Amino acid sequence: GESVGLHLPTLSVQEGDNSIINCAYSNSASDYFIWYKQESGKGPQFIIDIRSNMDKRQGQRVTVLLNKTVKHLSLQIAATQPGDSAVYFCAEDNQGGKLIFGQGTELSVKP
Amino acid sequence: GAVVSQHPSWVICKSGTSVKIECRSLDFQATTMFWYRQFPKQSLMLMATSNEGSKATYEQGVEKDKFLINHASLTLSTLTVTSAHPEDSSFYICSARTGLPGDYFGPGTRLTVT
Repeated sequence: GESVGLHLPTLSVQEGDNSIINCAYSNSASDYFIWYKQESGKGPQFIIDIRSNMDKRQGQRVTVLLNKTVKHLSLQIAATQPGDSAVYFCAEDNQGGKLIFGQGTELSVKP
Repeated sequence: GAVVSQHPSWVICKSGTSVKIECRSLDFQATTMFWYRQFPKQSLMLMATSNEGSKATYEQGVEKDKFLINHASLTLSTLTVTSAHPEDSSFYICSARTGLPGDYFGPGTRLTVT
């Protein structure tokens, strides 16, 4: 089935700590995955993507890990800052040309 | 680059009226745009895929006669919520496919139906 958003889980971290946000995706045929950041009242913002032929990709302060065996995706944010507070969504391209969004995780960074 | 705008950013309308929301790609052409709806504290739900010069493709459960989509040019797609009701109140977000990694999203339109 498709991932459907219900109520957001939350993650609270201390400023400077590393954050790990997890996502389970639904379609084993999906070959492209994206993490988005959404601040309150705004549209999602692209963070990082990964294709299914990779298991790890790094950006600036962010790393995405992909485990196709268990259909799991994670986003690691190093040295989390207050400006990282937002809702984070994973999205999968299920080869139908559409993005299917996960339920999202609300990240709260305590100063 | 890859900036997507939406207009209006928020709108309040009376029940039974229609509201049009515009989605524009400002610095690129987009043959494909998408419309999403998002309720508070929930994920984005895809409503429809908008293709320039052809009819939109609606997701299951989305009424095409209620949510009219027109992709009249390579830089503009519009969503018209017809005969709006309070349950249509939501955050409507569009995105555009650019050929760059990921789809680029507009800032969203908050619709409140009274």
